[in-house]
Amino acid sequence: KAGVTQTPRYLIKTRGQQVTLSCSPISGHRSVSWYQQTPGQGLQFLFEYFSETQRNKGNFPGRFSGRQFSNSRSEMNVSTLELGDSALYLCASSRGRKSSDTQYFGPGTRLTVL
Amino acid sequence: GENVEQHPSTLSVQEGDSAVIKCTYSDSASNYFPWYKQELGKGPQLIIDIRSNVGEKKDQRIAVTLNKTAKHFSLHITETQPEDSAVYFCAAVTHRGAGGTSYGKLTFGQGTILTVHP
Repeated sequence: KAGVTQTPRYLIKTRGQQVTLSCSPISGHRSVSWYQQTPGQGLQFLFEYFSETQRNKGNFPGRFSGRQFSNSRSEMNVSTLELGDSALYLCASSRGRKSSDTQYFGPGTRLTVL
Repeated sequence: GENVEQHPSTLSVQEGDSAVIKCTYSDSASNYFPWYKQELGKGPQLIIDIRSNVGEKKDQRIAVTLNKTAKHFSLHITETQPEDSAVYFCAAVTHRGAGGTSYGKLTFGQGTILTVHP
């Protein structure tokens, strides 16, 4: 079974630009969660989508948004990029039926904002 | 919201020794506690997990214990090997939802850099 895939793996943007990251979950998984990983703040939850609906949201500004498609693939968008948005963005997929369903992570997208 | 504290931040052991990483959580409603291992350039990989109705779980060289009263859980790695070197994260999930489905976000600890010297 193929794992979680994320594209692109690396991105370099400048302040003020916007960026879209993509995540393809494991086949059959309906939940996709996004996390931001930085050396200073660690791993922080951004949001979770299940059946095309945002079901849970972390404490990030409105510049961070996402969506999920009918095939469970998900995208997240960051608008008006700031230097502090430089991070590894991870997505995780799960069946999404129980809070204890295992979340499987992709390799991440490394975003650098200059 | 939930807060997870993890200690130590770095841990250095000799091959064959045991390693113990400890975490505490704040939300008594948390009911699921996974442990992830992250190697350089990769995403976190689940290595073991425990649910709130269980006190201990073991999988070969890895074991996890949970004390709900004290709100802490620990990861134990025995007979460490150089390939165990990585960053380890504990996490807690608080149950949300009702009926047939539930969901929860992962709240992570700050991570422990484990180095196993040959």
